[in-house]
Amino acid sequence: DGGITQSPKYLFRKEGQNVTLSCEQNLNHDAMYWYRQDPGQGLRLIYYSQIVNDFQKGDIAEGYSVSREKKESFPLTVTSAQKNPTAFYLCASSKRTPQETQYFGPGTRLLVL
Amino acid sequence: GESVGLHLPTLSVQEGDNSIINCAYSNSASDYFIWYKQESGKGPQFIIDIRSNMDKRQGQRVTVLLNKTVKHLSLQIAATQPGDSAVYFCAEMGGSGNTGKLIFGQGTTLQVKP
Repeated sequence: DGGITQSPKYLFRKEGQNVTLSCEQNLNHDAMYWYRQDPGQGLRLIYYSQIVNDFQKGDIAEGYSVSREKKESFPLTVTSAQKNPTAFYLCASSKRTPQETQYFGPGTRLLVL
Repeated sequence: GESVGLHLPTLSVQEGDNSIINCAYSNSASDYFIWYKQESGKGPQFIIDIRSNMDKRQGQRVTVLLNKTVKHLSLQIAATQPGDSAVYFCAEMGGSGNTGKLIFGQGTTLQVKP
């Protein structure tokens, strides 16, 4: 069953804590992306990676970090520097850019305690 | 700057009618467009895409129209069903130094009345 998986579905963060969101894909896609979605809003790009061991900042990278050590995995860390982390986080993947459709995972909802 | 917007935040249609969801984009260099459907609490689901060398593309019950002259994109859903109720996003890609970045609009909520 091919696709993109994200875990956990819900995540709670305490003040000053770093948390890591998991994204795995078995589609053999080269490119992976992280988006943030706030209520009633569209998606905003946080980070993206077109190839293993390489990634670029998106439009709202401050307070986030990523790694791309394996083709299948692109974890996102929400650091304590992100002052407003409550949102729905979506991971996507695509064949090597440009102009390839991005397919999304089910999302992780991050809440602050 | 680049922006993608939808004309109406909410569209309400009767079951069985056709639905038309509109989208305006500002970057004339964009050359790839995608429509996504997002149900509550889920990730966006790919519906249909179109490249700038086309002005129409059809899928199963859906049609996307692209008018590059006025930078307008529309999604037509035939015989709308209750399962079509969701938020629909258009997204554009392309332009200077195309890096595969998608720019999303704010979304239109489609409500299907039985």
